Amino acid sequence: SYELTQPPSVSVSPGQTASITCSGDKLGDKYACWYQQKPGQSPVLIIYQDNKRPSGIPERFSGSNSGNTATLTISGTQAMDEADYYCQAWDSSTVVFGGGTKLTVL
Amino acid sequence: QVQLQQWGAGLLKPSETLSLTCAVYGVSFSDYYWSWIRQPPGKGLEWIGEINHSGSTNYNPSLKSRVTISVDSSKNQFSLKLSSVTAADTAVYYCARGGGITAAGIWFDPWGQGTLVTVSS
Repeated sequence: SYELTQPPSVSVSPGQTASITCSGDKLGDKYACWYQQKPGQSPVLIIYQDNKRPSGIPERFSGSNSGNTATLTISGTQAMDEADYYCQAWDSSTVVFGGGTKLTVL
Repeated sequence: QVQLQQWGAGLLKPSETLSLTCAVYGVSFSDYYWSWIRQPPGKGLEWIGEINHSGSTNYNPSLKSRVTISVDSSKNQFSLKLSSVTAADTAVYYCARGGGITAAGIWFDPWGQGTLVTVSS
């Protein structure tokens, strides 16, 4: 079965750029999306179709996808961005999520 | 504004059947696929399956033998049943708009508020 691999944790200082990776076999040939989940809340879509932002998502969130890796980039990271982030794609008619990355802003 | 409101029993005994329903407001129900996703406490997300307004379904192979997703288009509602539950099925269950395999990819937006289902004897 298809797997997406994320680092368990990423740390970033306020105002700096955070990058979270998501790796999967030939992931660049598929569309990837990203969700943000804060404690006790439902996930929120922040990137779809590799690099598109839904209405209301700040411009500091951006995405890319090439080769075997999709990347979520948060520019000018703010304290409010501290959350869990999940990547997602689909393969063989099944939706697959990455294991999640806890972003710490310190 | 699209809203998903879900409900169902939160405490089950092993071997019972989990049953949840999700009501959709503010969008044309027939224009989308609708999915169920779950998240065990402290763990990641797992897609359970999807359905469209006409009842076409697609399930996660790992759960397929125990899952039934149904739809009531007259009420803009869809439901999840998971049979023979065990402690491993303890999770927050979410409904979400999204699904349907297309060349444009799949994403889920928005999500329901989530329902914690605990399986315990």
